Amino acid sequence: RKEVEQDPGPFNVPEGATVAFNCTYSNSASQSFFWYRQDCRKEPKLLMSVYSSGNEDGRFTAQLNRASQYISLLIRDSKLSDSATYLCVVNNNSNYQLIWGAGTKLIIKP
Amino acid sequence: NAGVTQTPKFQVLKTGQSMTLQCAQDMNHNSMYWYRQDPGMGLRLIYYSASEGTTDKGEVPNGYNVSRLNKREFSLRLESAAPSQTSVYFCASSDSGGPYEQYFGPGTRLTVT
Repeated sequence: RKEVEQDPGPFNVPEGATVAFNCTYSNSASQSFFWYRQDCRKEPKLLMSVYSSGNEDGRFTAQLNRASQYISLLIRDSKLSDSATYLCVVNNNSNYQLIWGAGTKLIIKP
Repeated sequence: NAGVTQTPKFQVLKTGQSMTLQCAQDMNHNSMYWYRQDPGMGLRLIYYSASEGTTDKGEVPNGYNVSRLNKREFSLRLESAAPSQTSVYFCASSDSGGPYEQYFGPGTRLTVT
C-alpha cells in the first residue's frame, strides 16, 4: 500500500461547480498535512496546510479525519484557473521528509 | 526575492556523461531538498540537507551525490548519467522550525539518451 494515495482523475468539472478530493495516508503517526497545487510543467506550490480543526481559505476548504486517516479538499464555485493537479502531502514529524501523493488532476470546463 | 532558483532549466545528456544541477534560495531557510518527478508518480526525495554542513539520503539516492555548499546553495551531481535518470528535478527549501512547508524552484528537465 502506498503511504499516500490519491485518485489520479482526471476530474472533469463544469465551471461554477463544487468538487471534492480525498487523500488517504497510511501512517497513523503523521502530524502535518498539506495540499499543493501543480500546474502543467511547473513546480508544486503550497495551496494550504490542513489543521485538525479544518481550515478554509476563500473557496477552498480542507478537512482532516484522523480516525479514518484521510484528508479532503473542497473547491467551491470552481474557476477555469483551478485546472491543475492537486498533490496531497504528509509529514510524520520524525524527520524532514514529506511524503507525496501522485496527484489528482482537475479540469474545469467552461 | 527570487525564492528558489535552479539551473539549468533543460539538459540533454548522453549515457555516461556527468553534470551538476545547481540550486540556490534566498529565504534564509535551513533545510534544502532534491526531488525527482516522474509521470504517474509522486515526488520522490533524492537527498536532503537539514542544515548547513549536513546531508542525508532520501528515498532514491543511488546514482546521485549532493553538496551543501553554504546555507544558500545545494547542488545535485549525476556522475554517470543513465536513461533511468530522465526526469524532472526539483529543488526545494524549508524553514526547519516546522511545520515543514516546502518551497520549490522551477525545475530542471533532464533527458538522458
